[in-house]
Amino acid sequence: DGGITQSPKYLFRKEGQNVTLSCEQNLNHDAMYWYRQDPGQGLRLIYYSQIVNDFQKGDIAEGYSVSREKKESFPLTVTSAQKNPTAFYLCASTGTGPQPQHFGDGTRLSIL
Amino acid sequence: AQKVTQAQTEISVVEKEDVTLDCVYETRDTTYYLFWYKQPPSGELVFLIRRNSFDEQNEISGRYSWNFQKSTSSFNFTITASQVVDSAVYFCALTKPNTGFQKLVFGTGTRLLVSP
Repeated sequence: DGGITQSPKYLFRKEGQNVTLSCEQNLNHDAMYWYRQDPGQGLRLIYYSQIVNDFQKGDIAEGYSVSREKKESFPLTVTSAQKNPTAFYLCASTGTGPQPQHFGDGTRLSIL
Repeated sequence: AQKVTQAQTEISVVEKEDVTLDCVYETRDTTYYLFWYKQPPSGELVFLIRRNSFDEQNEISGRYSWNFQKSTSSFNFTITASQVVDSAVYFCALTKPNTGFQKLVFGTGTRLLVSP
């Protein structure tokens, strides 16, 4: 089945540590997105990528970095500069035009 | 700027009751798209419906129906005869057309609790 796979499901970060969240899709979608979800808030866009080797900052990119070396993959690194990383992170992808975004199951990140 | 408001933070109903989730949006664009997504406890967002700004027809899909009114900038979602499986957080979202990229603006969500 086509879809988006996020891993791990749960992740713990120590102070000063960078952690990387994985997102893989087999939907042949060009655009991929990373969102952050905090309790009681909607999803906020961190980064997005329209094509391979290109990505743009979203609304809350500070403390995060991404890469897009392959069409299928869009990993997100939460750096030590992100002082409040505890949140639920969702990856999404979409094809051309105003199609609905397909979402992964998310990764819940907590601080140890 | 675009904005989506879901004023209802949480709604509790008993099974078989009808429930309406409100969504009010703001945009200066004449062409735009509206979406509803469901987020069950497992966490993933499940797409429910997309509506473009030129299509004000209401839509019904099984127990779900949507009422789009441009005059009041609202896109409300009604569940008829609610079931326990409908318990989830529901998000309304807005975007303007753009080839290759779609920046969704989400509301804060409405948590629906359906008890047996």
